[in-house]
Amino acid sequence: AQSVSQHNHHVILSEAASLELGCNYSYGGTVNLFWYVQYPGQHLQLLLKYFSGDPLVKGIKGFEAEFIKSKFSFNLRKPSVQWSDTAEYFCAVKGNNDMRFGAGTRLTVKP
Amino acid sequence: GAVVSQHPSRVICKSGTSVKIECRSLDFQATTMFWYRQFPKQSLMLMATSNEGSKATYEQGVEKDKFLINHASLTLSTLTVTSAHPEDSSFYICSALTGVSYEQYFGPGTRLTVT
Repeated sequence: AQSVSQHNHHVILSEAASLELGCNYSYGGTVNLFWYVQYPGQHLQLLLKYFSGDPLVKGIKGFEAEFIKSKFSFNLRKPSVQWSDTAEYFCAVKGNNDMRFGAGTRLTVKP
Repeated sequence: GAVVSQHPSRVICKSGTSVKIECRSLDFQATTMFWYRQFPKQSLMLMATSNEGSKATYEQGVEKDKFLINHASLTLSTLTVTSAHPEDSSFYICSALTGVSYEQYFGPGTRLTVT
């Protein structure tokens, strides 16, 4: 069965610090990979996605993620975080017809 | 972009009653919709996959007789929580899969409180 692991439960950073959130998955077939963000009190929003092609994917708000097939990883990065990036971040893997989510990483950015 | 709505956004019901939650894709047709449950400060748990015109596929541990799912049209899926109990209190989120880009779009969620 497919599974998604997010190793960081809660990350606390100061503004302008660099961010990397880990995501590893377990699935035997072709997958599509996603990062979603959930701001406090809001619903899930898509940050970026990988279907095929260039493994370095750029998303909204300066986020990017790199698909490393050999490591089954899809880590999320941002060079310089802002206070407004405080949110919950979810990695998701879609195989066949359903989507599985990681446990989520809470990011707190201190001003 | 694609929009998915849910109704109601919040509902409070008494233990033993049933509650219906609607999920609509507003500007696209969704052959597949998903229902998730999110506990406080936790991730989304897939409950079931709903395909238009056929029976829903439930995840292990999800009671199909308690969580009735109907996907009657390409734009509407409903989740009915039957004989609700306080432990059913949760945040229920639906998503719809576009047939064009195969992306999922999420609804805003429905917060159910069972008293």
